[in-house]
Amino acid sequence: EAQVTQNPRYLITVTGKKLTVTCSQNMNHEYMSWYRQDPGLGLRQIYYSMNVEVTDKGDVPEGYKVSRKEKRNFPLILESPSPNQTSLYFCASSPRYSSGNTIYFGEGSWLTVV
Amino acid sequence: GDSVTQMEGPVTLSEEAFLTINCTYTATGYPSLFWYVQYPGEGLQLLLKATKADDKGSNKGFEATYRKETTSFHLEKGSVQVSDSAVYFCALSDEVQGAQKLVFGQGTRLTINP
Repeated sequence: EAQVTQNPRYLITVTGKKLTVTCSQNMNHEYMSWYRQDPGLGLRQIYYSMNVEVTDKGDVPEGYKVSRKEKRNFPLILESPSPNQTSLYFCASSPRYSSGNTIYFGEGSWLTVV
Repeated sequence: GDSVTQMEGPVTLSEEAFLTINCTYTATGYPSLFWYVQYPGEGLQLLLKATKADDKGSNKGFEATYRKETTSFHLEKGSVQVSDSAVYFCALSDEVQGAQKLVFGQGTRLTINP
C-alpha cells in the first residue's frame, strides 16, 4: 500500500530535549516536505527536499533541521524544542515536480513541548 | 506571494443540505488548485483538484471549478451527509524557485447534524 509513515504519532516532551520525528514513504517519490498545522493558520511549510541531499527552507524553518540521506526518508529534527513548537506536524511526498501532482500526506504527529 | 483565503468556519449544516465553502486565491503564476479533507484523527487526503482554468474537479459528490476570472475554487456538494463532517482545506500548488510549493488556506471545519 502506498503511504507516508510518520513516527511518533503522539509525543509529549520537555523544553530543550532534542527529538526527531521520522518520515518514510514507499512510493519512490523525489519530493518530500514537512508542514506544521496550527489553529487558524492552516498548514505552513517548514522544509522541503527535491531529492537526496537537496533540502531547502520553507516558510517557517526556525528551530528545525532536516536531512535527506536516502530517497525514502526525511526526518524532522528539533534540536532544542520550545513550547511554541507545540503543533501537529505532517510529512508529505510527491513525484518529481509538477504543480498538478497530488501531494500525499502522513497521518500527522502531535507534538507537545512543556 | 501566493495566498489562499477560505470562508471562516465553523460551518454547521443539517443532513441533506447544500454545501458551499468559498475559496479565493492570489498567485503570480498558473497554479493548480486542490481541496484536501481531514477527517477526525486522520491526516490530509486529497478530495479533488483542477490543474487549469475552467477545469472542474469532482469526487464523492463534491465539485469545484477553477475560475481564473474570479480567482476562485469554491467547494460544493448538493446533499451532505454526517460522514462529511471534517476540516476542509483549499490549497494551491505553484512553482517557487523550481520546487513545488503548496499554500493552504486556514481550513474550514464542517459539522453535519443528523
